[in-house]
Amino acid sequence: TQLLEQSPQFLSIQEGENLTVYCNSSSVFSSLQWYRQEPGEGPVLLVTVVTGGEVKKLKRLTFQFGDARKDSSLHITAAQPGDTGLYLCAGYTFFSGSARQLTFGSGTQLTVLP
Amino acid sequence: NAGVMQNPRHLVRRRGQEARLRCSPMKGHSHVYWYRQLPEEGLKFMVYLQKENIIDESGMPKERFSAEFPKEGPSILRIQQVVRGDSAAYFCASSPTTGAGELFFGEGSRLTVL
Repeated sequence: TQLLEQSPQFLSIQEGENLTVYCNSSSVFSSLQWYRQEPGEGPVLLVTVVTGGEVKKLKRLTFQFGDARKDSSLHITAAQPGDTGLYLCAGYTFFSGSARQLTFGSGTQLTVLP
Repeated sequence: NAGVMQNPRHLVRRRGQEARLRCSPMKGHSHVYWYRQLPEEGLKFMVYLQKENIIDESGMPKERFSAEFPKEGPSILRIQQVVRGDSAAYFCASSPTTGAGELFFGEGSRLTVL
């Protein structure tokens, strides 16, 4: 089983602060995704990164895929209370040579205090 | 275009009873995935199905759990003789193709075993 480890597991910060969440694995992934999940709801896709070294920006969120495609980071600038949620990284792994399954990390629970 | 529909949203069962969770994928999606989530944790893959076929059930417990996606009707995750450890949120996701793309999640079914 290929594991995705996220750190930190919990993060509580004040509004306006910056933060970085990490997603690490010993395995190489063909692509990696970040989802955000709010209480009582299913995860919603934020971004997909495919190329090693790729950087994608989504407003105040910056996503980076490691050169070796084994790790990724999510950086939030000037966090707001609306950013509160569970952030999940997920990577595609191969099964039976063709079909793929999406493996999720353990998640980072972010709380942004006003 | 309706999203992924799961029902029931909440289900309470006593130990030894059966739980049936239903999932209707988004229109045009033929790939269905079931995940289980414990509080404040990431999602654990259970099973990947296409119409009338189980593609990958490597995350399913060997006993009491089964899943199907018939030619007509929703996908069903069935848990027989439930135990307290089965209490969790069960999420269904669908996609139009296999692997690499976005998974669209339902709002989940929360099972409580008394």
